[in-house]
Amino acid sequence: QKEVEQNSGPLSVPEGAIASLNCTYSDRVSQSFFWYRQYSGKSPELIMSIYSNGDKEDGRFTAQLNKASQYVSLLIRDSQPSDSATYLCAVRRGGGNKLTFGTGTQLKVEL
Amino acid sequence: DAGVTQSPTHLIKTRGQHVTLRCSPISGHKSVSWYQQVLGQGPQFIFQYYEKEERGRGNFPDRFSARQFPNYSSELNVNALLLGDSALYLCASSLLPGVYEQYFGPGTRLTVT
Repeated sequence: QKEVEQNSGPLSVPEGAIASLNCTYSDRVSQSFFWYRQYSGKSPELIMSIYSNGDKEDGRFTAQLNKASQYVSLLIRDSQPSDSATYLCAVRRGGGNKLTFGTGTQLKVEL
Repeated sequence: DAGVTQSPTHLIKTRGQHVTLRCSPISGHKSVSWYQQVLGQGPQFIFQYYEKEERGRGNFPDRFSARQFPNYSSELNVNALLLGDSALYLCASSLLPGVYEQYFGPGTRLTVT
């Protein structure tokens, strides 16, 4: 079982729709969770961090965390073509800096 | 404020050679981590440095080494390059280790032929 699992996609949504990206993790002692966006040929860009159960909203983005189910998700409202990218889920176990990444979900927002 | 900077942007090396990659963190950030990203995969953790000391190491061979300087910049060294070392090497900066978000630099694209 991979430590962090994501559906590789591609996930296609029409412009203006809600995109839902999901991530599961295997290590129960994971404490910190991050979503990065990566455009083709570029480096990952941090878009959301979440540390406690529940929802965290930032603009069009909402991160959701359920530690009991070992599940974290990212919702993108009013999806735009510029949101088309690969979204990486990352998990940090404890006091160190090591982030464990999933393989990413490719999102395509279609006109 | 400037973000994380890395040099060089691209690099082509031959098998068996040595390479040094450089990173400067965001101003005020004291912790630097290095990651390797091969095509189609998420980044893999190589090293973390804080206050010039190694604070974490991923599952990479001893051919990989790094160091951090008093100004918090860092170098990643890879010896005896293999074709499989071809990847995007990413430097991530955080204010302090463990608690804070990490921000990535633009990366160095290494091609080993």
